[in-house]
Amino acid sequence: AQKVTQAQTEISVVEKEDVTLDCVYETRDTTYYLFWYKQPPSGELVFLIRRNSFDEQNEISGRYSWNFQKSTSSFNFTITASQVVDSAVYFCALIFTGGGNKLTFGTGTQLKVEL
Amino acid sequence: KAGVTQTPRYLIKTRGQQVTLSCSPISGHRSVSWYQQTPGQGLQFLFEYFSETQRNKGNFPGRFSGRQFSNSRSEMNVSTLELGDSALYLCASSLRTSGGRLYNEQFFGPGTRLTVL
Repeated sequence: AQKVTQAQTEISVVEKEDVTLDCVYETRDTTYYLFWYKQPPSGELVFLIRRNSFDEQNEISGRYSWNFQKSTSSFNFTITASQVVDSAVYFCALIFTGGGNKLTFGTGTQLKVEL
Repeated sequence: KAGVTQTPRYLIKTRGQQVTLSCSPISGHRSVSWYQQTPGQGLQFLFEYFSETQRNKGNFPGRFSGRQFSNSRSEMNVSTLELGDSALYLCASSLRTSGGRLYNEQFFGPGTRLTVL
């Protein structure tokens, strides 16, 4: 079975702090895809990144960076110099081979960035 | 490019009624997936349609059904509504494959908030 665990239910930081959101996944497949989505209060899920299982290269996009480690089955997301606009619920998700386009989501981490 | 659109945005129904939700994917996307989001169960996959065929189905009762039209637009139907069906229903579209490459990033619409009284 596939499973995604986001142990952090809620994180509060002060603006300009760095924050890391943890994601641990379980799958028996050797080929799979990992995703991060952002859900602001408006409710729409916003796609942030897709990573496939055979590419462990870390990625940086502006203030966002992702650390993928197959050895620990983790795909963590770091926001550098957080801003109030980063306040949202962040979801980590997984697609496994044979699962079609079915996204298996974690329970999400509520990030609150305060002034 | 216009994003994924969903109609209606809000719905209020009573138990026992049925409801139809609509989703228009991003132009060129042929895969449409539906998800249910509730505070208790989180985000759960309902089903995926690709080229007018259901490709994948989540663990939901048969009261939940869907279809996809030749223009890739999709509808989701819930019959005999129950209180527990109150949720945000999200539609997502994906290119799926193009030129031999897999494009399984899914782009979500704003959702339909269904309240069952």
